Amino acid sequence: EAAVTQSPRSKVAVTGGKVTLSCHQTNNHDYMYWYRQDTGHGLRLIHYSYVADSTEKGDIPDGYKASRPSQENFSLILELASLSQTAVYFCASSDWGPQDTQYFGPGTRLLVL
Amino acid sequence: GEKVEQHESTLSVREGDSAVINCTYTDTASSYFPWYKQEAGKSLHFVIDIRSNVDRKQSQRLIVLLDKKAKRFSLHITATQPEDSAIYFCAASPNSGGSNAKLTFGKGTKLSVKS
Repeated sequence: EAAVTQSPRSKVAVTGGKVTLSCHQTNNHDYMYWYRQDTGHGLRLIHYSYVADSTEKGDIPDGYKASRPSQENFSLILELASLSQTAVYFCASSDWGPQDTQYFGPGTRLLVL
Repeated sequence: GEKVEQHESTLSVREGDSAVINCTYTDTASSYFPWYKQEAGKSLHFVIDIRSNVDRKQSQRLIVLLDKKAKRFSLHITATQPEDSAIYFCAASPNSGGSNAKLTFGKGTKLSVKS
């Protein structure tokens, strides 16, 4: 069974503060993704990566940075958190691309006050 | 870029009936169409997919139909059970990988199966 873990599982942040969400996978997958889920918007892709030390912009990258220091780890960084970034964030991994099954982590619930 | 519209935001059926969730997409280059399920308070997991080289795929009680001309695909759940209650997301991908690797999701359909 594929395993994707996320930390923290929930976080309260202050507006203007820095937030780092971490994701770790033990699947030996090349691709990793960060999505946010908002009511009424479904899942939207923020950043993704298909190789260590490289990241790509997704559909809504503004206000977010990503870091892939190794195949197993993928972080999402909010340098200046804003109220509009309150959401649930999911990390996922897949073996050979977006047309392969994606395995999702448990999600991180972020509340920005 | 690709846009995926999921037509039913909510759907309620009686246990044992069939449920149908419909999605449309915009990019004619899309060739991969998966479905994911999210149970209440949980993460998403894959349930079934279809690729553009076929127009029908079945896995137990799940059937996916693809109409490439209409750019439409649908998920049929037969003989529904209470444990089918969840949010279902359709998605589409026109790319195979590399720097253009994106899977675009619909907004989700909340299915309630009433016993």
